[in-house]
Amino acid sequence: DIQMTQSPPSLSASLGDKVTITCQASQNINKYIAWYQQKPGKAPRLLIRYTSTLESGTPSRFSGSGSGRDYSFSISNVESEDIASYYCLQYDNLPPFTFGSGTKLEIK
Amino acid sequence: EVQLVESGGGLVQPGRSLKLSCLASGFTFSNYGMNWIRQAPGKGLEWVASISSSSSYIYYADTVKGRFTISRDNAKNTLYLQMTSLRSEDTALYYCARLVHLGYYFDYWGQGVMVTVSS
Repeated sequence: DIQMTQSPPSLSASLGDKVTITCQASQNINKYIAWYQQKPGKAPRLLIRYTSTLESGTPSRFSGSGSGRDYSFSISNVESEDIASYYCLQYDNLPPFTFGSGTKLEIK
Repeated sequence: EVQLVESGGGLVQPGRSLKLSCLASGFTFSNYGMNWIRQAPGKGLEWVASISSSSSYIYYADTVKGRFTISRDNAKNTLYLQMTSLRSEDTALYYCARLVHLGYYFDYWGQGVMVTVSS
């Protein structure tokens, strides 16, 4: 099974900052990684698929990159509405689907 | 509009059973793989089970294999999760999620249904 190591567990940023979250897979996942946003009390929302492809409706301040085992997710110009937890998901080697442990973004 | 509405959760004693349902609308249910994903209170996301569009392929997480059964009724646009031999560690919010068409990630999620296993 592929393990996804996500860091950091939490982030505190000021409005307008750029933040970056990383996920490292236990083996090459061939760019098959998605990123989800989960606001408090809500279901996860798909933001990015296949490393860097933004879903319809995802603001352009969100981006993803990476290859092999190492991937990152960034938010430039953080806004107050970005307060949420963020999760990566690998979907290369299935089953099982494996999520990262999550990153909670807070505003300073 | 795609909608997934879970039901059937509640408080149940350890060792007992519970069956969750997920009613789908706004898309052709029979064309999509479906999944259950759970989230323990204050914790991260854990994939539980998957079923292909025609029920030909079914997969489970090791943590629930042999205790949970995923199924679907395409005529009723409904996904199910039969949970038996429930344990306290099964306490979680259970989400129903659609697998993207011809892909392997989740594009739509329900709002979730809470299952609490406690005596």
